[in-house]
Order: sequence, then structure tokens, then C-alpha cells
Amino acid sequence: KQEVTQIPAALSVPEGENLVLNCSFTDSAIYNLQWFRQDPGKGLTSLLLIQSSQREQTSGRLNASLDKSSGRSTLYIAASQPGDSATYLCVAFGNEKLTFGTGTRLTIIP
Amino acid sequence: DGGITQSPKYLFRKEGQNVTLSCEQNLNHDAMYWYRQDPGQGLRLIYYSQIVNDFQKGDIAEGYSVSREKKESFPLTVTSAQKNPTAFYLCASSTPRGQVNSPLHFGNGTRLTVT
Repeated sequence: KQEVTQIPAALSVPEGENLVLNCSFTDSAIYNLQWFRQDPGKGLTSLLLIQSSQREQTSGRLNASLDKSSGRSTLYIAASQPGDSATYLCVAFGNEKLTFGTGTRLTIIP
Repeated sequence: DGGITQSPKYLFRKEGQNVTLSCEQNLNHDAMYWYRQDPGQGLRLIYYSQIVNDFQKGDIAEGYSVSREKKESFPLTVTSAQKNPTAFYLCASSTPRGQVNSPLHFGNGTRLTVT
């Protein structure tokens, strides 16, 4: 059974710093991994999708990496801003089902 | 713009009443999903559908029902049999499972409160 873990559950960082969010999965037989952000009371907004054949994807200040052999994905946020404050979730796409992590609640301190 | 529309945003019902949550997508996606999110918890799968006129139970289907008569629509009914219906409900869609480069798209959610 796939398990997806995001540690830490909460993170506070001063504005302007670079930061890394972690996503670990137990079953490496995945074909996609996707990162989302969720603002309070809202739906999930897609940030980046990494296919299993890729090692990383970039969008603006965001860079997501995938290492299937170690069961790990990271989301790197450069030059953090208060607007980056949100909960970040990752989801692993397996052939049987999608498995979500429980998220990291990120707070950027102005 | 293509996307997923969930309505209403907020829904209030009395205990014992059935209620239907709407989910419509114009992304031409075959697969659609319903998730439930409770405070401090991750997303839990209620039902999913890979194709029109077919759907499967997820991890917490008891007390819920769905239909998939049209590709673009996947309504969820919360029945009186659901013991703890108050939650935030999220609908999602994608191209069929197994296809690479097939991101999951979410609606903005419906917050259901049952008293």
C-alpha cells in the first residue's frame, strides 16, 4: 500500500529565503507526481507535474524534483514571498490509485 | 477558460435530508473524482469514475452515491446514512488513469454543514 508523507507538517520562514518542501513515498511504481497548493477554504491549485521519466520541472520560482529510487520528491521555492503562504500537498499517481500526502502548512513571515 | 465548477460554495442542511453537490467540467476529461477533506486531515476518496456510465467506490463511499450520465457531470449525493457529513468536498478530473502528463484538476470545493 502506497504511503505518502510530508514532513514537516508546518514550516515558518522569513520572507526572501529559499526553502524546500519534502514529499516521501513508499512505492516507487508511480507514473506521475504532482504538487498543489491550497489556500484556506479553497480548492487545490496545481503547481507542477513531474512524469516518472523526468527528474525535475520548473515554473517561475518553483522547482520540483523527483527521485523514484529514493522515494522522494522536493519542491523548492526561491525568494519566498508572503503570498506563498499556503498548504502544499503532493500526490503520487500509481496504477491502482492516487495517494495524497497530508501536506505542509507554509507561513512566510514578512 | 476550461475548468471545474462546483456549486454551491456553501451548503447547509438539516440532519436526515439528502443533499446533492454539483460538479461540472469542460476539460473533456474522462476521469472524475470526489474527495472529502476534514480539518487537519488529508484528502479521502469517496467515489471515482473513469468513463461515462461507470463509477467505483473509493475508500469512504458509505453514505454517498454518485451518477455519471454525462462526461462533463459527476454529481455527489450525501444521503442521510452518512454519519458525519459536515466536511469540505472537492471534485477533481483528469485524463484516464495511467496516462503520463495527465495532471489532476480540482474545483473550488463545496463546504457542507449539516445540523
